[in-house]
Amino acid sequence: QMHLQESGPGVVKPSETLSLTCTVSGGSISSSTYYWGWIRQPPGKGLEWIGSIHYSGSTHYNPSLKSRVTISVDTSKNQFSLKLSSVTAADTAVYYCARHGSSSWLFDFWGQGTLVPVSS
Amino acid sequence: QLVLTQSPSASASLGASVKLTCTLSSGHSSYAIAWHQQQPEKVPRYLMKLNGDGRHTKGDGIPDRFSGSSSGAERYLTIASLQSEDEADYYCQTWGAGTVVFGGGTKLTVL
Repeated sequence: QMHLQESGPGVVKPSETLSLTCTVSGGSISSSTYYWGWIRQPPGKGLEWIGSIHYSGSTHYNPSLKSRVTISVDTSKNQFSLKLSSVTAADTAVYYCARHGSSSWLFDFWGQGTLVPVSS
Repeated sequence: QLVLTQSPSASASLGASVKLTCTLSSGHSSYAIAWHQQQPEKVPRYLMKLNGDGRHTKGDGIPDRFSGSSSGAERYLTIASLQSEDEADYYCQTWGAGTVVFGGGTKLTVL
């Protein structure tokens, strides 16, 4: 069974870079059929797509975050990662990793999510 | 611009049925969407893919009480025989031009 697990530091200071990794188990990240994405949810608010990556390295980002986001993939570890630079309190959220299809970009598997507070 | 619009809240009685709506922006009425359920303090769960012609494909283990339908730019999620565990936020999601879009979500209260 597919399983996605986020990991990363608990708290990030303002102006620093938020870094998270998603480890995929129960399947290969190198499948051409899927993209791997990041979504976030500020406390009490809705879902916001951050970006997605294919194992080939092809990336797509939310235009509103594009200048601060980098998503990368490590096929040898079956992992993909998120870096969000110059964070502020507005970036405090639960960050989810998830999977969507290459032809139909609908998320069908979600990680458990990790809360990342931005605080000094 | 691709936008999904959902009513912020809905309510229905235990055992009844409810129909939630997700509206696609102008020029995008043929797009497929997904419905996701997020129970309180839990991870979103994929419910189904819903095409513009009303055909839908549910995720693994999703009960038959959940169904989808379409009309023009409207995409519907119908939940029959409401149970207490159906009280949740429901999000629609689609994609286009290299971006992913979520609706604002509908908070369903089971009375």
